[in-house]
Amino acid sequence: GAVVSQHPSWVICKSGTSVKIECRSLDFQATTMFWYRQFPKQSLMLMATSNEGSKATYEQGVEKDKFLINHASLTLSTLTVTSAHPEDSSFYICSARRPGSETQYFGPGTRLLVL
Amino acid sequence: QKEVEQNSGPLSVPEGAIASLNCTYSDRGSQSFFWYRQYSGKSPELIMSIYSNGDKEDGRFTAQLNKASQYVSLLIRDSQPSDSATYLCALLTLGGNQFYFGTGTSLTVIP
Repeated sequence: GAVVSQHPSWVICKSGTSVKIECRSLDFQATTMFWYRQFPKQSLMLMATSNEGSKATYEQGVEKDKFLINHASLTLSTLTVTSAHPEDSSFYICSARRPGSETQYFGPGTRLLVL
Repeated sequence: QKEVEQNSGPLSVPEGAIASLNCTYSDRGSQSFFWYRQYSGKSPELIMSIYSNGDKEDGRFTAQLNKASQYVSLLIRDSQPSDSATYLCALLTLGGNQFYFGTGTSLTVIP
């Protein structure tokens, strides 16, 4: 399987601060990466699809100005939660699709706790 | 109607038994199907994918796909306590543009 990393794995921050989460595909170039959010005991919710070199496609109900996505290279996508609030506390997971493959490989996730 | 439907469970089976997890989908054009396992507090990990009607076996896992009936299932033979997790069914629609996940089925294997 492919290797996808995320950094940081844990973030605790004060309300109103911005938090950046990095997602890297370590052994392949990913033209498409995905960002998910998962609240406790709930299913994965796709937030946005990140395409290298172009604007991300956001799912309905996800504020693009609050969740900034940058996919500047074929191995890195970043999600910035701007002006985070306690309700943004969640488990954020990225995934990447290897070119020519339909399978999504997930990163280990980032737990965000906003105080 | 949701694209992918799964029973949320929980499903409990004794150790050594066969666990059967089922998933139905609404888009007949769906072409690729995946089973992921997610342990509590962890991200999903791929178990297997299936693209053609019939069975696909990988170790203790067997995926079954029936496109006519629009269901895909996962059988886990000789279930172990370490198999206790949430199992997510996912599919890719025709054209490969949309990837949908089910809500997951929680499985508990009782020692």
